[in-house]
Amino acid sequence: ETGVTQTPRHLVMGMTNKKSLKCEQHLGHNAMYWYKQSAKKPLELMFVYSLEERVENNSVPSRFSPECPNSSHLFLHLHTLQPEDSALYLCASSQDVLAGGIEQFFGPGTRLTVL
Amino acid sequence: SQQGEEDPQALSIQEGENATMNCSYKTSINNLQWYRQNSGRGLVHLILIRSNEREKHSGRLRVTLDTSKKSSSLLITASRAADTASYFCATDAYTGANSKLTFGKGITLSVRP
Repeated sequence: ETGVTQTPRHLVMGMTNKKSLKCEQHLGHNAMYWYKQSAKKPLELMFVYSLEERVENNSVPSRFSPECPNSSHLFLHLHTLQPEDSALYLCASSQDVLAGGIEQFFGPGTRLTVL
Repeated sequence: SQQGEEDPQALSIQEGENATMNCSYKTSINNLQWYRQNSGRGLVHLILIRSNEREKHSGRLRVTLDTSKKSSSLLITASRAADTASYFCATDAYTGANSKLTFGKGITLSVRP
């Protein structure tokens, strides 16, 4: 966890709010990921960025908008969310996405509650 | 449907005992990885086993992979209370240009002191 940081750690927002989640990796990696973790469900991959280019958008609703300004930073912009979007949002990074057999390093997550 | 499914869903053992967790998957893989997650925290990578490997060790961890049965097991020997966590298997099905991990729902392991 120490190589990947996420802020804020906890976030409570109303359905009409706009907020952003931030992720930063200090590992010199080229790939970054957003995952959603809900209770009793498998970890869901949301977005993948490789060298600041989005390479995967896993059918995520448009109320989630990712941004990757450079290879060290990843944002998830949130607007008009629904209560069912409440979950733990995890950021991860890896050396790259092209080679199989690469481990991912995760941040501690942002616990999001949508009222 | 999800790729990796862990079994059992929950496991409770006494400190010092061994813990065995299983993972089954459906499609061909390049490698399989096990991760650990403490409550409300991020995942931590434990071990990776490639499709051409059958067994791998790391400290008190032993992972096996049977590609004919599409299954893997994670054994934690001499468990400690600090091993209490959720454990996930993740399959890496390298298709096309990009590698992609698919996670299971996880196994909750409780180690009683």
